[in-house]
Amino acid sequence: DGGITQSPKYLFRKEGQNVTLSCEQNLNHDAMYWYRQDPGQGLRLIYYSQIVNDFQKGDIAEGYSVSREKKESFPLTVTSAQKNPTAFYLCASSSGLLGQYEQYFGPGTRLTVT
Amino acid sequence: AQSVTQPDIHITVSEGASLELRCNYSYGATPYLFWYVQSPGQGLQLLLKYFSGDTLVQGIKGFEAEFKRSQSSFNLRKPSVHWSDAAEYFCAVRGQGAQKLVFGQGTRLTINP
Repeated sequence: DGGITQSPKYLFRKEGQNVTLSCEQNLNHDAMYWYRQDPGQGLRLIYYSQIVNDFQKGDIAEGYSVSREKKESFPLTVTSAQKNPTAFYLCASSSGLLGQYEQYFGPGTRLTVT
Repeated sequence: AQSVTQPDIHITVSEGASLELRCNYSYGATPYLFWYVQSPGQGLQLLLKYFSGDTLVQGIKGFEAEFKRSQSSFNLRKPSVHWSDAAEYFCAVRGQGAQKLVFGQGTRLTINP
């Protein structure tokens, strides 16, 4: 089955540690995205990538980093510089760069930092 | 800048009743509009989308939405809700040629038995 996988589903870390969230897609999509979701809020864009080896900052990129070495993979690192990292993180992909291509979402990773 | 407003944070309806979730957007030209649904602890699933043409669009799970340019609205409707429709619903807008999808704050739907 085609889709987006995110692992792990739950992640716990101590404050001050970097942590990497995995996102893999087998939809052959060019564009990939990372969002953060906090309770009672909509989704906020962290980073997005249109093609391999290229990515752009979204609205809340501070304290995060990404890489896009393969078309299928777009891992997100939450660094110790992120002041409030506890949140639900969603990865998405779409088949094109233009607005009419809808985004497909993975199941999400809930990160808890204590 | 694009923006989306979902005026209702939480709505409760009885099973079998009709439903309308409101969405208003701000964008200078004709936008691409989407409705997504999210069950607790899950990712988002696309319900329907509007790009052009017929302003009444049909989606999955019996949902439909109507694009009204004069009101800058894209309200989601369902004639008869089921208990399984309880979830959070997000409206989103994307400009033509834009790379970013802008989401509303979401509306949480509760179904009374």
